[in-house]
Amino acid sequence: TQLLEQSPQFLSIQEGENLTVYCNSSSVFSSLQWYRQEPGEGPVLLVTVVTGGEVKKLKRLTFQFGDARKDSSLHITAAQPGDTGLYLCAGATFTSGTYKYIFGTGTRLKVLA
Amino acid sequence: GAVVSQHPSWVICKSGTSVKIECRSLDFQATTMFWYRQFPKQSLMLMATSNEGSKATYEQGVEKDKFLINHASLTLSTLTVTSAHPEDSSFYICSRAYQGASSGSADEQFFGPGTRLTVL
Repeated sequence: TQLLEQSPQFLSIQEGENLTVYCNSSSVFSSLQWYRQEPGEGPVLLVTVVTGGEVKKLKRLTFQFGDARKDSSLHITAAQPGDTGLYLCAGATFTSGTYKYIFGTGTRLKVLA
Repeated sequence: GAVVSQHPSWVICKSGTSVKIECRSLDFQATTMFWYRQFPKQSLMLMATSNEGSKATYEQGVEKDKFLINHASLTLSTLTVTSAHPEDSSFYICSRAYQGASSGSADEQFFGPGTRLTVL
């Protein structure tokens, strides 16, 4: 069974602080996505990383895919209360002509004003 | 705008009844859609892959006779929870994938807003 472990599970920080969320697996993924989910809603895609070592930036968010495509990180600079939410990584594997997605365990972030 | 819709948004039913949840792809035809379940404060768990015109592929531990999936058209997949029990209460989310232009060869997936099922 493929597993994606996220750390930390919970994070409560003050506005303006920086943070990093990690997503680790022993499996290799063809791509990895990061999502943010608000309570009672479906996840919203933030970014997809495909190439080992790839770094993508989305305003104050920086995403990195590990060289071996087994792990990823999300770094938030100067966190704001609007960043509060559940952050999920999801790894994509290609089997029998279909992509399948395995979700990480999730990181619940709360940014205090 | 939304590319995947779900109906209903929430449903409350009595134990023993069956509930059907619809998932529609609004902008692209989807030969493949996915069904997930999410318990409170937990991550998403893939239940099954819905394939248009053929049988769904279920993940290990998911009862195919309890969670019936039908993908009769390229824009609609349905999940029917048969003989629902309180332990089936959960947030059910569908998604569809398409070739994301921004991600090269990788597929990206887009999620519906979810359906909250409460079984009394």
